[in-house]
Amino acid sequence: DAKTTQPNSMESNEEEPVHLPCNHSTISGTDYIHWYRQLPSQGPEYVIHGLTSNVNNRMASLAIAEDRKSSTLILHRATLRDAAVYYCITKTSYDKVIFGPGTSLSVIP
Amino acid sequence: DTGVSQDPRHKITKRGQNVTFRCDPISEHNRLYWYRQTLGQGPEFLTYFQNEAQLEKSRLLSDRFSAERPKGSFSTLEIQRTEQGDSAMYLCASSHETVAYNEQFFGPGTRLTVL
Repeated sequence: DAKTTQPNSMESNEEEPVHLPCNHSTISGTDYIHWYRQLPSQGPEYVIHGLTSNVNNRMASLAIAEDRKSSTLILHRATLRDAAVYYCITKTSYDKVIFGPGTSLSVIP
Repeated sequence: DTGVSQDPRHKITKRGQNVTFRCDPISEHNRLYWYRQTLGQGPEFLTYFQNEAQLEKSRLLSDRFSAERPKGSFSTLEIQRTEQGDSAMYLCASSHETVAYNEQFFGPGTRLTVL
């Protein structure tokens, strides 16, 4: 499985956009890029996924570099409820998710 | 269906005791996963079922751990002769194999404290 690297922590002001980076330089051509987040005292939840093209859904946007060696999760307007640990994941099989330590996002009111 | 449920939510036990946790996946999901999470770390994969078959086990799953999924519905994770190092959050997740990107839905977890 391709290794991902993320900053340990980030801060954002409420109502401002947040860009969470992830490097995955060893990703293969068929690996999807997935993002999950884990709110305090809850299990992880799926946020978004993509392969090559940028993706949007109701929670966030995913911008994928042309060479696919990095990606950025974009929260367009951070709210206090977005404070969580965000995990960037790439995997080649369907049988498990390999989590790293993730990025702990703090949102400042 | 309100999602993946786990029972109990919290368990405190003394070292050496056996504990069993239950996971009820989303009803139409045929894949079920167990993960363990310690403080400040991401979840670590333990084992995976497709229907009732246990298809993969992590080397983290020592002989004291056993998981079952009879009839391919709910699953149980048993830890025998618990040790203080077993203290962690145990997470269950489920997914449907026909979803290509395999979005996994996680339960709230069972927090185990071994005294």
